[in-house]
Parts: sequence; C-alpha cells; structure tokens
Amino acid sequence: DAGITQSPRHKVTETGTPVTLRCHQTENHRYMYWYRQDPGHGLRLIHYSYGVKDTDKGEVSDGYSVSRSKTEDFLLTLESATSSQTSVYFCAISESMGGSYNEQFFGPGTRLTVL
Amino acid sequence: QQQVKQSPQSLIVQKGGISIINCAYENTAFDYFPWYQQFPGKGPALLIAIRPDVSEKKEGRFTISFNKSAKQFSLHIMDSQPGDSATYFCAASGDSNDYKLSFGAGTTVTVRA
Repeated sequence: DAGITQSPRHKVTETGTPVTLRCHQTENHRYMYWYRQDPGHGLRLIHYSYGVKDTDKGEVSDGYSVSRSKTEDFLLTLESATSSQTSVYFCAISESMGGSYNEQFFGPGTRLTVL
Repeated sequence: QQQVKQSPQSLIVQKGGISIINCAYENTAFDYFPWYQQFPGKGPALLIAIRPDVSEKKEGRFTISFNKSAKQFSLHIMDSQPGDSATYFCAASGDSNDYKLSFGAGTTVTVRA
C-alpha cells in the first residue's frame, strides 16, 4: 500500500466519545487526504492537506477535524462520534493535485463502528 | 450531490466475457478521469486513467472509452478473469474543484469461473 499505514485498523466506540485516526506515510508526498467509504456513496472526501499545518475541507467535513504537524502524519478526529460516522475510513496521498500527476495512493483503511 | 454517476451497481460475468461499467458527469471543466480497482479489505488502487484529448486508452485487457460530447466514459474489461472480481470506481477532477477527485458510487464485478 505504497508506504501508507493507518491505525487503528478496527475500532468500536460509543456515541459521544472522541476518536482519532492516524495516517502515516513514508513517501514524503505533499498531499494527504481522508475519505470515508459507504455503500452507494463511493468515496467521499472529508478533509485534505496540502502541506504541514495546511488543511482544507472536503464535501463531508461536518463533525470531523484534522491536523498535520509533520509531513508524514495526518490525523482525523471525530470530535463527538455519532452512529452516522460508522464507516470505513481511507487515507490517501499524492505528489500533486493536478491532472495525470494526481494519482492517489490509498492506505489499507480503518473500519470504525459507533454504537 | 454526486458529481459522477456510475452504473451498474453490480454485475456478474462469465470467465472470458466482457465487463462494461459506465460513468457520466456534468462538470465540463473535468479534465482527468481515472478508474480505481478495490479488492475486499484493501484500499483502492489506480487501474487506468484518461484525459479528454483522446477517445480511448487501452492497457492490457482494460480499456477506457471517452465521449466528451456526451460527457460519458466507460471501462471495458476484456476476457474477464476471476482475479478481476473487485469493486471499480470511476472518478473525475479538474481545476473547477481544485483537482479534488469526485468518485462514482462503485460497481462490484463478479467473474464466475
């Protein structure tokens, strides 16, 4: 998976608790992304980062925050988990965000269940 | 709303047959159209991609056909093999959405031996 690890790989949590997912890359790629994957919706972008401390919202950012203090790490935090955030979360990286150089490499995913 | 519409949701094909997945988009500023392949329990991986200056791109048994006027593109898997059983996602991006990828809903392909 192109030098991308995600932790934890599986997590079960309770409604209302905060949850942090970690993405770590060894490729030194500038761009990092967090997606959620749900049946019938494909992959939807939550947040992305274009450099250390530089982040922006995606199409489904409500209830999520991110941080990137180092090139290699991108954290996704669910401030107060809800059952609607039960999903599989994927981290991705890319060298750039333009055209054919926009190949995104995906991590193995984190399956999150909110009870 | 989903910027890229993908169909069918699932399909079953016999070994050696042709699998066809279709995608349609509205944003005429999109200029990059990749297809990603995902096996169960894994992250998606880039399979093949096309730019709108060509109408077809072929890599091995996988071909993208692109119709700019109809705003549609499709993936053809020739001589389908059981190892092709996976979920396939089309996507699109362009400068109008800062090159963020918009994904289709996905198609689960099952190849029967």
